[in-house]
Amino acid sequence: GAGVSQSPRYKVAKRGQDVALRCDPISGHVSLFWYQQALGQGPEFLTYFQNEAQLDKSGLPSDRFFAERPEGSVSTLKIQRTQQEDSAVYLCASSSSGTGGYTFGSGTRLTVV
Amino acid sequence: AQSVSQHNHHVILSEAASLELGCNYSYGGTVNLFWYVQYPGQHLQLLLKYFSGDPLVKGIKGFEAEFIKSKFSFNLRKPSVQWSDTAEYFCAVNALGNAGNMLTFGGGTRLMVKP
Repeated sequence: GAGVSQSPRYKVAKRGQDVALRCDPISGHVSLFWYQQALGQGPEFLTYFQNEAQLDKSGLPSDRFFAERPEGSVSTLKIQRTQQEDSAVYLCASSSSGTGGYTFGSGTRLTVV
Repeated sequence: AQSVSQHNHHVILSEAASLELGCNYSYGGTVNLFWYVQYPGQHLQLLLKYFSGDPLVKGIKGFEAEFIKSKFSFNLRKPSVQWSDTAEYFCAVNALGNAGNMLTFGGGTRLMVKP
């Protein structure tokens, strides 16, 4: 498609459950970013891929968070043993050059109950 | 690390009023600056961006922003707002040389335009 696609759009998880969030970037985009947006706040950086290489994961809040992009296209953000504080919208963005002006997906709204 | 401050969390205007949303950042080096808009139920969309050159940048839908380096500011303006401008607006900074060129966002300003 023409845009960044994320699935699922909504996810409700019981505390302690593992979740996997998917991002399909724009075809050919080298750079891929994950952001976390808590309610009423701006997006906060989680991690960055250039092709299949994860070059920066400094924003991942704990070792329960894991991201991968094995073939340099689709990416998955996995959260293990979800906690209530993980409730947020998770945004994926891709860029052809990584210099800004990224295209964002619609996000996955995760609610941990 | 850089940070971005948006001073107004909520702004309410009547149609045809002028708009100015403040954005200040803290970073001493070279930056790229962005404004994104998020309409209700939609994804973040780029309004405008500044990389270099003329500090007055024009974007889509009649928006413009001025980069004032001495004030570390990148305020967003529109001379006459419309009801359809109701949305949340985010200022973002990309510090050149930062690994991954990731964006640092402000907390957002929620704009409501009354018809």
